Amino acid sequence: DVKVTQSSRYLVKRTGEKVFLECVQDMDHENMFWYRQDPGLGLRLIYFSYDVKMKEKGDIPEGYSVSREKKERFSLILESASTNQTSMYLCASQPIGYQPQHFGDGTRLSIL
Amino acid sequence: KNQVEQSPQSLIILEGKNCTLQCNYTVSPFSNLRWYKQDTGRGPVSLTIMTFSENTKSNGRYTATLDADTKQSSLHITASQLSDSASYICVVSASPEGNAGKSTFGDGTTLTVKP
Repeated sequence: DVKVTQSSRYLVKRTGEKVFLECVQDMDHENMFWYRQDPGLGLRLIYFSYDVKMKEKGDIPEGYSVSREKKERFSLILESASTNQTSMYLCASQPIGYQPQHFGDGTRLSIL
Repeated sequence: KNQVEQSPQSLIILEGKNCTLQCNYTVSPFSNLRWYKQDTGRGPVSLTIMTFSENTKSNGRYTATLDADTKQSSLHITASQLSDSASYICVVSASPEGNAGKSTFGDGTTLTVKP
């Protein structure tokens, strides 16, 4: 079974802090994604990566950056956390081809 | 603009009953459509994936249908169980999977199964 592990289930940070969310997958998938999920808005794509050191902006990249130094690890960085970044963050991985994405269980991030 | 609309927004049914969830999309060009189940506090889990040439795909008590002409899909759940209580998300991809970022998510249908 594919396993996508997010480093924290719950995280509380203060405005202005630099926040790191980590995601690791164990199936050698090429593609990795970061989403945020808010009530009534569904899942929105922040960034995705289709290879090591490669990244592309999703629909809502403002205020975020990402890092993929190794194939199995994809990090989301909030450069200067703000209260409107309080949300559920979901990481996913996917092999190339007509395959579904595999999601982690999410990190519920609160910015105070 | 690519859009995926799901209906109903929420649904309550009694255990053992069947139900059907709807997904209409305007994503173009169409590559594939997926249904996910998301339990409260967990990440989404894939139920089915269908490409243009597939009309029906089953996964146990879950059966998804696709009409690419009318751009509609449905997810039918047979003999519902309490564990079916979850959010069901329809996702449509607009390009071959080599271009990973071209997926549009619906807002989901929240299903509650009561004993």
